[in-house]
Amino acid sequence: KAGVTQTPRYLIKTRGQQVTLSCSPISGHRSVSWYQQTPGQGLQFLFEYFSETQRNKGNFPGRFSGRQFSNSRSEMNVSTLELGDSALYLCASSLESAPGTEAFFGQGTRLTVV
Amino acid sequence: AQSVSQHNHHVILSEAASLELGCNYSYGGTVNLFWYVQYPGQHLQLLLKYFSGDPLVKGIKGFEAEFIKSKFSFNLRKPSVQWSDTAEYFCAVNARTGRRALTFGSGTRLQVQP
Repeated sequence: KAGVTQTPRYLIKTRGQQVTLSCSPISGHRSVSWYQQTPGQGLQFLFEYFSETQRNKGNFPGRFSGRQFSNSRSEMNVSTLELGDSALYLCASSLESAPGTEAFFGQGTRLTVV
Repeated sequence: AQSVSQHNHHVILSEAASLELGCNYSYGGTVNLFWYVQYPGQHLQLLLKYFSGDPLVKGIKGFEAEFIKSKFSFNLRKPSVQWSDTAEYFCAVNARTGRRALTFGSGTRLQVQP
């Protein structure tokens, strides 16, 4: 079956702009989580959605937001982009919103802010 | 708060050498433990996971890890590495109950020389 799909794969944006990233989970998965990966900070949790509700949120400013649709697809939005937002943004989906459930990752969206 | 430490940032081995990557975590409750691998240009993939039961878990591609509760450790091992094991390896943990967000270590870059 198809894996987690993230679009677009690459993005270049200018400081101050906003951006929307998309994630399509594996069919049947209702939990979607987002992570930011940078060389300096590693992989950091942004937020998790389950059945269209945000269940958990990481320690990121309010410029980072997300949502989940009824078909479990998720989007994350970053407003007023800063240079430090340049990163690989990873989406992971899992079958249940339970701690022991395996998360499957997409290939990520590489965002470059100039 | 949870934290994960991976002490080896960059490991260089020759083919057929044995591998052990260290992972220690800090958390006051019961956890689930994971090792993920990221091959060059590819998405994060699960190598193995520990939820409960036998503390020695076996994963894909000949990898195994041992959970030592008293040491808060979950070290990854492979008796004989191959060139194709060149990748970045991440240890991760989440709480058994409540928030399911993964907390990742900083990663270990493994380079296997032919």
